[in-house]
Amino acid sequence: AAGVIQSPRHLIKEKRETATLKCYPIPRHDTVYWYQQGPGQDPQFLISFYEKMQSDKGSIPDRFSAQQFSDYHSELNMSSLELGDSALYFCASSSRDRGQYEQYFGPGTRLTVT
Amino acid sequence: AQKVTQAQTEISVVEKEDVTLDCVYETRDTTYYLFWYKQPPSGELVFLIRRNSFDEQNEISGRYSWNFQKSTSSFNFTITASQVVDSAVYFCALSDTVAGANNLFFGTGTRLTVIP
Repeated sequence: AAGVIQSPRHLIKEKRETATLKCYPIPRHDTVYWYQQGPGQDPQFLISFYEKMQSDKGSIPDRFSAQQFSDYHSELNMSSLELGDSALYFCASSSRDRGQYEQYFGPGTRLTVT
Repeated sequence: AQKVTQAQTEISVVEKEDVTLDCVYETRDTTYYLFWYKQPPSGELVFLIRRNSFDEQNEISGRYSWNFQKSTSSFNFTITASQVVDSAVYFCALSDTVAGANNLFFGTGTRLTVIP
């Protein structure tokens, strides 16, 4: 079965640079979530989109923005990167319209800021 | 506010032993969902189970079983006859249905090591 696709899988950036992470949800899933997992930490919710509209916002820094496109893929844009942004970034998708609330996670993008 | 507590930070068991991972949650919502995810060393998050607040029936799936007790706000996870491949970090998570948003609140995870 198709899973959530994230790209790139690994990314190395320098401080103050920008980064864009991409997420392709499972086909027919209408909701996308972004999570950040720091080293040794639990995943923290950043932001979610339902039918291309922002659905909920968590602990996402103002330097970050995200959107969901017409084909349901989502991008997380990160600017003025800081060392503390080094983390594993997960995208997850679910099908809210079908009452399927379980979120299926992608493999994650490991961002390293040097 | 939602909160998930996994008091066991790390557990080590010898292969073939049974092990129970504890999860206690807090929420003011009457409708909510509870989840368990597995994060093996490779890093991905693998969905294991979802349980809604109206369904207290315990569930068994192979060597995995879950015990949901609303009275004690607990959703414990038992692995029977553990195997080395079960070594991973296990996260319990809670999702509410406020405003239709279903973002997950994770516990801090329990690192399970199964020793051969």
